[in-house]
Amino acid sequence: DADVTQTPRNRITKTGKRIMLECSQTKGHDRMYWYRQDPGLGLRLIYYSFDVKDINKGEISDGYSVSRQAQAKFSLSLESAIPNQTALYFCATRRGGGGEQFFGPGTRLTVL
Amino acid sequence: KNEVEQSPQNLTAQEGEFITINCSYSVGISALHWLQQHPGGGIVSLFMLSSGKKKHGRLIATINIQEKHSSLHITASHPRDSAVYICAVSPEYGNKLVFGAGTILRVKS
Repeated sequence: DADVTQTPRNRITKTGKRIMLECSQTKGHDRMYWYRQDPGLGLRLIYYSFDVKDINKGEISDGYSVSRQAQAKFSLSLESAIPNQTALYFCATRRGGGGEQFFGPGTRLTVL
Repeated sequence: KNEVEQSPQNLTAQEGEFITINCSYSVGISALHWLQQHPGGGIVSLFMLSSGKKKHGRLIATINIQEKHSSLHITASHPRDSAVYICAVSPEYGNKLVFGAGTILRVKS
């Protein structure tokens, strides 16, 4: 079984709809991250969390919110989706103190 | 100017060729990461290094801390190596990775 899972894997939605992307991990890592990837721009950080009570904005947090329901779960919400939020979204985890980041398989989101 | 610059942006090679992808960064770091992303696929970590050189199969990663530069080499390239290769750094002061824009590699048979 994958260490970091994301649901859904693909989603098509309409402008104005509320969308939630979910991430779960079995690695026991404290740190979890949400990124978006756009062609030619690389990965950009949306939000990150170092534990259940610690949530931090990344470089592009406007229009997004997150919830860390448990150490293993970190959800990303788009309260009112807009077309320029069409992108590939990745969740990642990392142990405290550094080390490799482990990425989920990605969610392809299309906002019409 | 981005803190992490990769070159080239795009690279096409013939099967069997030796490939080099470069990464330069402008901040002090505690570690540098090389990641691989296959088309339509997820992202996997290839290497994390803070000095010297690491090797895994046909892949070799080197880093020169003084020059703030790293290279990823692929020996005897194969079409299955076709992917996006991403360089990322862990800044000395900070808790977040900083990513390069990626290098798109295509290996033709």
